[in-house]
Amino acid sequence: NAGVTQTPKFQVLKTGQSMTLQCAQDMNHEYMSWYRQDPGMGLRLIHYSVGAGITDQGEVPNGYNVSRSTTEDFPLRLLSAAPSQTSVYFCASSYRTGGKSSYNSPLHFGNGTRLTVT
Amino acid sequence: GESVGLHLPTLSVQEGDNSIINCAYSNSASDYFIWYKQESGKGPQFIIDIRSNMDKRQGQRVTVLLNKTVKHLSLQIAATQPGDSAVYFCAENTGQGAQKLVFGQGTRLTINP
Repeated sequence: NAGVTQTPKFQVLKTGQSMTLQCAQDMNHEYMSWYRQDPGMGLRLIHYSVGAGITDQGEVPNGYNVSRSTTEDFPLRLLSAAPSQTSVYFCASSYRTGGKSSYNSPLHFGNGTRLTVT
Repeated sequence: GESVGLHLPTLSVQEGDNSIINCAYSNSASDYFIWYKQESGKGPQFIIDIRSNMDKRQGQRVTVLLNKTVKHLSLQIAATQPGDSAVYFCAENTGQGAQKLVFGQGTRLTINP
């Protein structure tokens, strides 16, 4: 298994440009999410998905769109990049156990996309 | 411990000593807590987790303690090694089902030879 794969690893955009950060996982995990990490800070949740066709907003969703058409892929779109979106972006996935006392597995993270907006 | 600000709290320990990293969490309703290790240029890597119905959990060389009364979490690393040098994050799950993690700021652990 490759785990969680993010592309590209680095990207530089000009203000106003759009782009899509790709995330794919091959573990058949239902749950996927996007976080951003700014210098000296912990990660903050942007958007998440509990399964194909279902997405929801996290703590800092403004300026970002997501979709989940398949279990494997969860792309993050920046429609009009702003300097405030300069950050490192991490995609993560997890599964949920079944049964009466179901719970989520720990998140598996990709290695991130470092985005600079000038 | 972890705190708000642009400068990461740091902890320096001698190789072979035990390390204790502390974390204060915010939400009394959080039911799941996780410690992650992040090395430079990589994504966070899962170390150990604990559910709110427990107060201690042990792994290989690591122990997590949870004190719900004061909303405090700690990570103990026994016999620290150079490979333990990294930034350590605590995270709490506030999603009550969906996994919506809130991360602490992180603590940089440095191992002195």
